Amino acid sequence: KAGVTQTPRYLIKTRGQQVTLSCSPISGHRSVSWYQQTPGQGLQFLFEYFSETQRNKGNFPGRFSGRQFSNSRSEMNVSTLELGDSALYLCASSLREGPDTQYFGPGTRLTVL
Amino acid sequence: AQKITQTQPGMFVQEKEAVTLDCTYDTSDPSYGLFWYKQPSSGEMIFLIYQGSYDQQNATEGRYSLNFQKARKSANLVISASQLGDSAMYFCAMREGRDGGYQKVTFGTGTKLQVIP
Repeated sequence: KAGVTQTPRYLIKTRGQQVTLSCSPISGHRSVSWYQQTPGQGLQFLFEYFSETQRNKGNFPGRFSGRQFSNSRSEMNVSTLELGDSALYLCASSLREGPDTQYFGPGTRLTVL
Repeated sequence: AQKITQTQPGMFVQEKEAVTLDCTYDTSDPSYGLFWYKQPSSGEMIFLIYQGSYDQQNATEGRYSLNFQKARKSANLVISASQLGDSAMYFCAMREGRDGGYQKVTFGTGTKLQVIP
């Protein structure tokens, strides 16, 4: 079974631009979560979707948004990019909601210049 | 208060020796899950082991075992017979369940393990 895939793997943007990252979960998984990982802040939760509904949201500004489609694929969007948005963005999928094991994708490394 | 605390920023272990990575957690919810992940330098997070709060026995997965002490709120990861490929960052994480809904997953700050030949 294919793992979680994320596209693109690497991205370079400039301040003020917007970016969309994509995540395809493991087949059959209905829950998708997004995380931001930086050396200074560690792993921080962005949001979680289950059956196209946002279930949880982290403490990030409104510039960060996401959605999930009927096939469980998910996208996250960051508008008006700032230098501090440079990070590894990780997507994870799980079969169910709740304390179920999350399987992570390889991440998208975003660099904002 | 930190929900997940990993007090060892870095550790060294001799190849073939066992090593314990510490994790303590804080929750008032009776239903929760505890996870350990490995993150090699390549960046991908790899699931290692899971322990549910109602599980009676400690979880084991190959060379990995979780020393779950509920009363002490600790969930230490034990890696037996360390291998060079075990060198990586290790994260402890928790997900709480509450009133039929579930909270976000919270990660610790990680422990960098280096295996010495």
